[in-house]
Amino acid sequence: GQQLNQSPQSMFIQEGEDVSMNCTSSSIFNTWLWYKQEPGEGPVLLIALYKAGELTSNGRLTAQFGITRKDSFLNISASIPSDVGIYFCAGDYTGTASKLTFGTGTRLQVTL
Amino acid sequence: EAQVTQNPRYLITVTGKKLTVTCSQNMNHEYMSWYRQDPGLGLRQIYYSMNVEVTDKGDVPEGYKVSRKEKRNFPLILESPSPNQTSLYFCASRDWTGDRGGYTFGSGTRLTVV
Repeated sequence: GQQLNQSPQSMFIQEGEDVSMNCTSSSIFNTWLWYKQEPGEGPVLLIALYKAGELTSNGRLTAQFGITRKDSFLNISASIPSDVGIYFCAGDYTGTASKLTFGTGTRLQVTL
Repeated sequence: EAQVTQNPRYLITVTGKKLTVTCSQNMNHEYMSWYRQDPGLGLRQIYYSMNVEVTDKGDVPEGYKVSRKEKRNFPLILESPSPNQTSLYFCASRDWTGDRGGYTFGSGTRLTVV
């Protein structure tokens, strides 16, 4: 299957700091998605990106679909304690979003 | 409430004893999929279904079966579970005609095979 490299693996930051994480792929994707997973729950969609170069925001979260279609990044501004969780990128190359490939996740810890 | 419901949430079983994890969605979604989540590996797709009676393999289908006899249900079947199938399993669904990225995940089933 497709391979997605997500970095960093984990982050420990202080409340109020900005966060940046990214995903790179060896192949082109048609869709990039960013999810957040909290303990004991399934992933929840944060942002969906459908076009190369697209920049989309959801509150304090901003994500971009790389121009090469092989990468994407997620920024979180002014982090707060409830941002704690595992963030996953996911890409789809089929054009029908039937086969999502997930990154390995970035575990975010926020200290007061 | 729109949701994907998996049962059971936790299951401990012995090697070789057939089991079924159920998944049901109440959103009339065409597309459903099963993933397994393992430390350091993220989520990997097991099987997916684009509609009733239409199923296809994901990236890690070995040792699993699925069926899609009704739109709302997509059970995952382990005919002869082995310890390497110990994992956290998620079912997901989405509307084919709506938001392309709007996958809704269940809360997960933690399976241990001893």
